[in-house]
Amino acid sequence: DAKTTQPPSMDCAEGRAANLPCNHSTISGNEYVYWYRQIHSQGPQYIIHGLKNNETNEMASLIITEDRKSSTLILPHATLRDTAVYYCIVRVGGAAGNKLTFGGGTRVLVKP
Amino acid sequence: NAGVTQTPKFQVLKTGQSMTLQCAQDMNHNSMYWYRQDPGMGLRLIYYSASEGTTDKGEVPNGYNVSRLNKREFSLRLESAAPSQTSVYFCASSARTGRGASYNSPLHFGNGTRLTVT
Repeated sequence: DAKTTQPPSMDCAEGRAANLPCNHSTISGNEYVYWYRQIHSQGPQYIIHGLKNNETNEMASLIITEDRKSSTLILPHATLRDTAVYYCIVRVGGAAGNKLTFGGGTRVLVKP
Repeated sequence: NAGVTQTPKFQVLKTGQSMTLQCAQDMNHNSMYWYRQDPGMGLRLIYYSASEGTTDKGEVPNGYNVSRLNKREFSLRLESAAPSQTSVYFCASSARTGRGASYNSPLHFGNGTRLTVT
């Protein structure tokens, strides 16, 4: 699996968009980019994933660069409840199951 | 719809004791996983089961055994607990999209079992 690099922490103002970067320069053509978040003391929560096209759902948008070497998760209007650790993961799905490797993530603090 | 349910939520063991962590999912998912998370760290895969009847080692399998009891349930057993196994244990499940396809369905996690070994 391709390795990902994320900033260890970032702050965001409540009501503003939060843009979380992730570098995955060694990504392969069949590897997906996944984003999860973990709010304190809870299990990780799936946010969004994509292969090469930009994706949007009710939680966030995922922007993947044309060369697929980096991506950005966008939380359009951050709230205090978005304070969490955000994990960017790159993985190819396969017959052995969709196991994911979690790194250190980005600790996001949303401030009022 | 409960999703992924883990029991117990908290457990304290003495070194050498054994216990089984239980996990059940009600989403009809084929694949299930056990992860551990140490303080301030990311999650590490212990074991996984791609489908009923199969189990495979993950990144940190030593000291653990697993049983895929049926499609719904996947248990994790510590035969002789050690202080190094103090951690939060998360169970997860995911669907499969069919033979030959890219299995890119997301993982759904339970809320964890907090285990302390003294």
